[in-house]
Amino acid sequence: EVQLLESGGGLVQPGGSLRLSCVASGFTFSSYAMSWVRQAPGKGLEWVSAISGSGGSTYYADSVKGRFTISRDNSKNTLYLQMNSLRAEDTAAYYCAKVGRQLAVFDYWGQGTLVTVSS
Amino acid sequence: QSVLTQPPSASGTPGQRVSISCSGSSSNIGSNTVNWYQQLPGTAPKLLIYSNNQRPSGVPDRFSGSKSGTSASLAISGLQSEDEADYYCAAWDDSLNGVVFGGGTKLTVL
Repeated sequence: EVQLLESGGGLVQPGGSLRLSCVASGFTFSSYAMSWVRQAPGKGLEWVSAISGSGGSTYYADSVKGRFTISRDNSKNTLYLQMNSLRAEDTAAYYCAKVGRQLAVFDYWGQGTLVTVSS
Repeated sequence: QSVLTQPPSASGTPGQRVSISCSGSSSNIGSNTVNWYQQLPGTAPKLLIYSNNQRPSGVPDRFSGSKSGTSASLAISGLQSEDEADYYCAAWDDSLNGVVFGGGTKLTVL
């Protein structure tokens, strides 16, 4: 059974940093691209970033480019999202998702971790 | 303002057939496949349709997808109360080099 468990969310001040983690199980982690998708309170889904199975290719939404860094440790089956220079508009539930056949196919999702950026 | 355009709401009565549209452009839907996600209240999204019209294992055949040009559509037949949820379309965008979502459609079963 595929499981994705996010952690690392919390309250942070504007301009601060936070690192999210997602521990995966139930599949060969290194064989699949992974992604982060966020959802602001009461709003729709917004894709944030993706990384290839090897970690050699990364992709970012324009809204986070230069501030967020996606990475993975295949020896630990763990996906990360380093978030710097956080803004109020980054407040959202952040979901870790396993990528399927194509980069826009998210076939499994975690339960999400809430990030709140506020002073 | 989402790159893909969906109606904010849709509704139907039990047993009815409803359709949700998703409009894009040549850089996303026009050149890549469309995927649909269902988000029940208070839960994480779930993959409903991938590659325009393919259903993952476990998704009832009441759900179907189609694509034509730069638009796509999700159809739900035999509407049930448990289908009440938010539905999102998504596709890769070649110009943005990233995934784009629709704004979501809230489906109400009357």
